[in-house]
Amino acid sequence: EPEVTQTPSHQVTQMGQEVILRCVPISNHLYFYWYRQILGQKVEFLVSFYNNEISEKSEIFDDQFSVERPDGSNFTLKIRSTKLEDSAMYFCASSEAMGLGQPQHFGDGTRLSIL
Amino acid sequence: GDSVTQMEGPVTLSEEAFLTINCTYTATGYPSLFWYVQYPGEGLQLLLKATKADDKGSNKGFEATYRKETTSFHLEKGSVQVSDSAVYFCALSEAGTYKYIFGTGTRLKVLA
Repeated sequence: EPEVTQTPSHQVTQMGQEVILRCVPISNHLYFYWYRQILGQKVEFLVSFYNNEISEKSEIFDDQFSVERPDGSNFTLKIRSTKLEDSAMYFCASSEAMGLGQPQHFGDGTRLSIL
Repeated sequence: GDSVTQMEGPVTLSEEAFLTINCTYTATGYPSLFWYVQYPGEGLQLLLKATKADDKGSNKGFEATYRKETTSFHLEKGSVQVSDSAVYFCALSEAGTYKYIFGTGTRLKVLA
C-alpha cells in the first residue's frame, strides 16, 4: 500500500538555526498538509498546499514557516529560525482530493528537538 | 470554533473486554468524522470514517456511528486484543476547509 514518507525521523537543532523537514507524499495525491503535535498536546493543523500554493494556514504558521514542493515528489516544511517551542512531532499528510470524507494519509512523523 | 473532545486516558482493559472511547464534537456545519490510530513509533493511520448523520464506519472490528443529535462519534470494539494497544484520535473536517481538527487522543492499553 502506498504511504507517505518523512525524513529524518528525528532532527536535533540548535535554537536559531534553520531546519527543513522533508516529505514524499503518495504519488497520485494532489493535496499536501503539515501538522504538528507538541508532546502531550493535540495534533494541530499548520498548512495545506495545492497547485503549488498555500490553500489554508493556521495562526501557528507565521513568517518563520514556509512550505515548498521543489520537484514532482518532495514536499518540505522550513522553519527559518527555530525556537524552543518549535520542539514537536511534525506530521506530513496527503490526500487524493479535497472534500467531505476525503481521508488524509499521514507519515510516521519527524521528531524535532530544539536545544 | 470547531472542536473535538475525547475521553481522558489511559484506558486499560483486559484482552477480550468491550471497548468504548467517547468522542464529541462542536461544528458549525455538517462535518465528516474520522478515527485515526497511532501505534507506538508510527504515524496516524485512518481507522474508519463517516460522512453524514447515522452513517456507521467500521474497520478491523471497530465501529463508530455518526450521531448528529448528540454530536458524538464514539469508538467501540466488542473484544479487544493486545495488538489494539495504541493511541486513538477522533477528528473532524468541515466542508470548505482543508484542515482536520483532532481530539487530544486516548491511549489504550490492553493486557493479556
